[in-house]
Amino acid sequence: SAVISQKPSRDICQRGTSLTIQCQVDSQVTMMFWYRQQPGQSLTLIATANQGSEATYESGFVIDKFPISRPNLTFSTLTVSNMSPEDSSIYLCSVSGAYNEQFFGPGTRLTVL
Amino acid sequence: RKEVEQDPGPFNVPEGATVAFNCTYSNSASQSFFWYRQDCRKEPKLLMSVYSSGNEDGRFTAQLNRASQYISLLIRDSKLSDSATYLCVVNFPGDDKIIFGKGTRLHILP
Repeated sequence: SAVISQKPSRDICQRGTSLTIQCQVDSQVTMMFWYRQQPGQSLTLIATANQGSEATYESGFVIDKFPISRPNLTFSTLTVSNMSPEDSSIYLCSVSGAYNEQFFGPGTRLTVL
Repeated sequence: RKEVEQDPGPFNVPEGATVAFNCTYSNSASQSFFWYRQDCRKEPKLLMSVYSSGNEDGRFTAQLNRASQYISLLIRDSKLSDSATYLCVVNFPGDDKIIFGKGTRLHILP
């Protein structure tokens, strides 16, 4: 399985600001995924990031709020824009295995005050 | 019916006991099934895939019942280190995505 790192591991931010989360994979992958896990909840897919094309967003998530970059096959960023306390969550990036299984980075724990 | 449904627990089980979780899914066309383990404040990690014929990995056995649309996870001789949240994951071919259940919390008691 791929080795995935994320930065930052955690942050505390003020409402109205933005935070960019970085995800690095140790091998080239076509698709990278961004998930959110709110307190006590399971994982919800935010978007799929393909290299060389625009990200595909799931229902309830929009590019203006969660812009994504995918400049190459090993790296992606997710920005949480104009944050509010409701954005407090763990944000995880992942890649797919051969059988659709997901391998996750360690996550970014975001608290918005 | 929810897409992927699990009993949230918590299951409080004495060390050494056997514990089983079920997970139901709504899409009869689903083909890929997984169990993940998530420790507190950590990312989910793949525990095992679930194959049609059932599969076993040490103390863990996973089974699939397509007719009733559920998968199960059996843990034998439970250890304190088995304490975690277990997430059921199912693919939904029509939407080409995978869906996570909310997880079942397991506490192994000494």
